Amino acid sequence: AQSVTQLDSQVPVFEEAPVELRCNYSSSVSVYLFWYVQYPNQGLQLLLKYLSGSTLVESINGFEAEFNKSQTSFHLRKPSVHISDTAEYFCAVMVGSNYKLTFGKGTLLTVNP
Amino acid sequence: DTEVTQTPKHLVMGMTNKKSLKCEQHMGHRAMYWYKQKAKKPPELMFVYSYEKLSINESVPSRFSPECPNSSLLNLHLHALQPEDSALYLCASSQGDRGREQYFGPGTRLTVT
Repeated sequence: AQSVTQLDSQVPVFEEAPVELRCNYSSSVSVYLFWYVQYPNQGLQLLLKYLSGSTLVESINGFEAEFNKSQTSFHLRKPSVHISDTAEYFCAVMVGSNYKLTFGKGTLLTVNP
Repeated sequence: DTEVTQTPKHLVMGMTNKKSLKCEQHMGHRAMYWYKQKAKKPPELMFVYSYEKLSINESVPSRFSPECPNSSLLNLHLHALQPEDSALYLCASSQGDRGREQYFGPGTRLTVT
């Protein structure tokens, strides 16, 4: 069975600083990988996805993530964060077409002025 | 239209009440999901409907009863709930066989008194 580890439960950073949220997964077969963001009192929004092809995926708001098969990682990065990026970030993995998303425990990113 | 809508936004019910949560999507998706999310935890899968048929039930207690009247609608009927069932209930949808990414609604905040 697959599992997802988000190594940091909380990441505080200052505005305009770079940030990396770490995600590692374990699976013996090919996976699909996702990052979701959840703002306070809201649902989850899909931020990034890796399905196939280029291992570097980007979002429209400056986040990027790189699929590293040898290290079984899918870390999320942003070169310069804004106050509005404060939210909970969940990494998730899906194996095959079984519809099941396995989520990590989440990382709370807090951007301070 | 890329939205999943959920009603109501908030619901307070007693342990003897019967209520229903509703979810709707107009993206032509053929898979729909119910998740339960407790505070500061990742979402937990409850049910999956694929092509309007229940395909996954994650051993959810029978006091939760899902229903998929058509490909755009998903209901969750609630009866004789316990206080520990208080949580954010999230609906999601995906394309089905071809789509891996799931799109989430804003959720219904349920409080059982």
